[in-house]
Amino acid sequence: AQTVTQSQPEMSVQEAETVTLSCTYDTSESNYYLFWYKQPPSRQMILVIRQEAYKQQNATENRFSVNFQKAAKSFSLKISDSQLGDTAMYFCAFNGGSQGNLIFGKGTKLSVKP
Amino acid sequence: ETGVTQTPRHLVMGMTNKKSLKCEQHLGHNAMYWYKQSAKKPLELMFVYSLEERVENNSVPSRFSPECPNSSHLFLHLHTLQPEDSALYLCASSHSHRDRRAEQYFGPGTRLTVT
Repeated sequence: AQTVTQSQPEMSVQEAETVTLSCTYDTSESNYYLFWYKQPPSRQMILVIRQEAYKQQNATENRFSVNFQKAAKSFSLKISDSQLGDTAMYFCAFNGGSQGNLIFGKGTKLSVKP
Repeated sequence: ETGVTQTPRHLVMGMTNKKSLKCEQHLGHNAMYWYKQSAKKPLELMFVYSLEERVENNSVPSRFSPECPNSSHLFLHLHTLQPEDSALYLCASSHSHRDRRAEQYFGPGTRLTVT
């Protein structure tokens, strides 16, 4: 069975600092995609960044980057220069099954403090 | 944030009531999804529709009944719910449910409370 584990239920970071959110997954698939979604308080969930398993280069989107370690099945999210608007629930997700369904972790609640 | 809309945003219903949740996507996508989001649990995929045809039903109790009249609209009909069904129900859409790379676009959710 494919699973996604986020071991940090809550984290906090000071504004302008860097924080890393952890995610591990389990799969026997060789080609798959990994995602980080962000759900701000009372707002819609949006995609932050995605990574294809076949690409060795880590994905980057402005202040957001990932550390993808395929052998270790690890997919962490680094947020640089944290901003107050980064306060949100962050969900790691995996898509690799034949049905193309997203499998989510339980989420990490990130608070950015001024 | 207007690509996927959901109504109502909040719903309180008794265990004997019948109600419906509505989702509409304005993105021209072919796939639509219903998820259940409960505290401290991963999002649970409930139903997947592709071009109005149900392609996934993850062992959801029959008290939840989906309907997809066209590729832009998705409903979740609720009847005789239990208190443990209280949760945030999220609708999402993507251009194709078989494209593993495809981003899913989420609605704001309906906060359901069953009393």
